[in-house]
Amino acid sequence: DQQVKQNSPSLSVQEGRISILNCDYTNSMFDYFLWYKKYPAEGPTFLISISSIKDKNEDGRFTVFLNKSAKHLSLHIVPSQPGDSAVYFCAASALKFGNQFYFGTGTSLTVIP
Amino acid sequence: GAVVSQHPSWVICKSGTSVKIECRSLDFQATTMFWYRQFPKQSLMLMATSNEGSKATYEQGVEKDKFLINHASLTLSTLTVTSAHPEDSSFYICSAWGGSSYNEQFFGPGTRLTVL
Repeated sequence: DQQVKQNSPSLSVQEGRISILNCDYTNSMFDYFLWYKKYPAEGPTFLISISSIKDKNEDGRFTVFLNKSAKHLSLHIVPSQPGDSAVYFCAASALKFGNQFYFGTGTSLTVIP
Repeated sequence: GAVVSQHPSWVICKSGTSVKIECRSLDFQATTMFWYRQFPKQSLMLMATSNEGSKATYEQGVEKDKFLINHASLTLSTLTVTSAHPEDSSFYICSAWGGSSYNEQFFGPGTRLTVL
C-alpha cells in the first residue's frame, strides 16, 4: 500500500523556468515531509523539509508547499538549472512511527538547457 | 550535513555466496539506521530498521534470515545478504538517524549488488 505517491514519473522543463514536482499522501498521521534528490547509483541527498505546522518553507531556489487538507505537497524549483536534473523523491514521516520514512515513487526531472 | 559511508560501493558475487555491506556514520552517532532497497525505476523500499544493541525490525515481506542486520555500535550497521541469488541483485542504501536533534535521515551512497 503506497502511502506516499508521486503521480508524475517524469517532468521536462526549460532552463530558467519553474519546475513543480507534486506529491500526495494518504496517512493523516504524517507530520514531517522531506524532499530528496537522487542521481543514478548514488544515495539520496536531502533538499528541503517542512513540518506539518507550516504550509511553506523556502531555501534558496527551492520552496516546498504543504496543503494538509488536501494531503498534498509540492516542490518548486525556480529558476531551474540543468544541474537540477535528477530523480526527486518526497518522503513522509511521523513521530509516532519513530522517524521511519515512507517514500514516494520518484519523479525524474530533466532541465533542458 | 552529516556523512554516512557504505562499503563496498559495488560488489559482484556468485549465486549461493554471502555478501556483507557496511554502513557507517562518520561524524555522528546514529541511534537508528535504516536499510533500503531500490529496484530500477522504483521507489526506495524500506527493508528494516535497526537500533544499536537490539534486534532489527523487518518490514513485511523481508526475510530476516536472508537479510541479516547487525547494529553493533552507534556508528556501524551491517547488512549481510546470505545465500545470494540473482533476484537479490539490487541497489542497497542505508541511512542513519542521530536522534531527536536531527530532523532528517542521512543517506549513504548506496551499494550495487550483482549476483551472477
